[in-house]
Amino acid sequence: GQQLNQSPQSMFIQEGEDVSMNCTSSSIFNTWLWYKQDPGEGPVLLIALYKAGELTSNGRLTAQFGITRKDSFLNISASIPSDVGIYFCAGELTGGGNKLTFGTGTQLKVEL
Amino acid sequence: NAGVTQTPKFQVLKTGQSMTLQCAQDMNHNSMYWYRQDPGMGLRLIYYSASEGTTDKGEVPNGYNVSRLNKREFSLRLESAAPSQTSVYFCASRTGVNEKLFFGSGTQLSVL
Repeated sequence: GQQLNQSPQSMFIQEGEDVSMNCTSSSIFNTWLWYKQDPGEGPVLLIALYKAGELTSNGRLTAQFGITRKDSFLNISASIPSDVGIYFCAGELTGGGNKLTFGTGTQLKVEL
Repeated sequence: NAGVTQTPKFQVLKTGQSMTLQCAQDMNHNSMYWYRQDPGMGLRLIYYSASEGTTDKGEVPNGYNVSRLNKREFSLRLESAAPSQTSVYFCASRTGVNEKLFFGSGTQLSVL
């Protein structure tokens, strides 16, 4: 089946730094979604991307749908302590059975 | 505005016991999903229901059964729990293909 490789697996950064993470797939997708999960909670949707090359922002977060349709990137600018959590990417291909494929997550830790 | 509601929040079972995890959504979504989350494994799809009256196996269906009781409710049953089923379980729902997926807050299950 489809696999999503998400990197890095974890990051330990200073408050105020910018953060970049990415997700790559072995096959193309029509949709990319980015989620954040806080401890003890379910994932919460951050950004949805529907078109190759699309660049979408949500506050300090910016995500891009790769031109090849096999990758996506998430950037967080000027990180703050509440950015701590696990970030997941998810992809979907129309006709792929009405289900998303999730990456294994990037754990972000912010040092004050 | 409850969204996706899961019960119970925590559960401890002995090997061989059975139980049902309940999930309900109030967003009039057509599709509902059950995932399990294990450390380093991301979110893996157990079963899903593309629409009321249909269910399909996901990536890891063995040891589980599901029931789409009506459009709002989708339950997950463990007939004979095993220690390998110790995990955090998430229910999710959405309108349909390529649409945003919304998660419940999870059920932490331990099988001793």
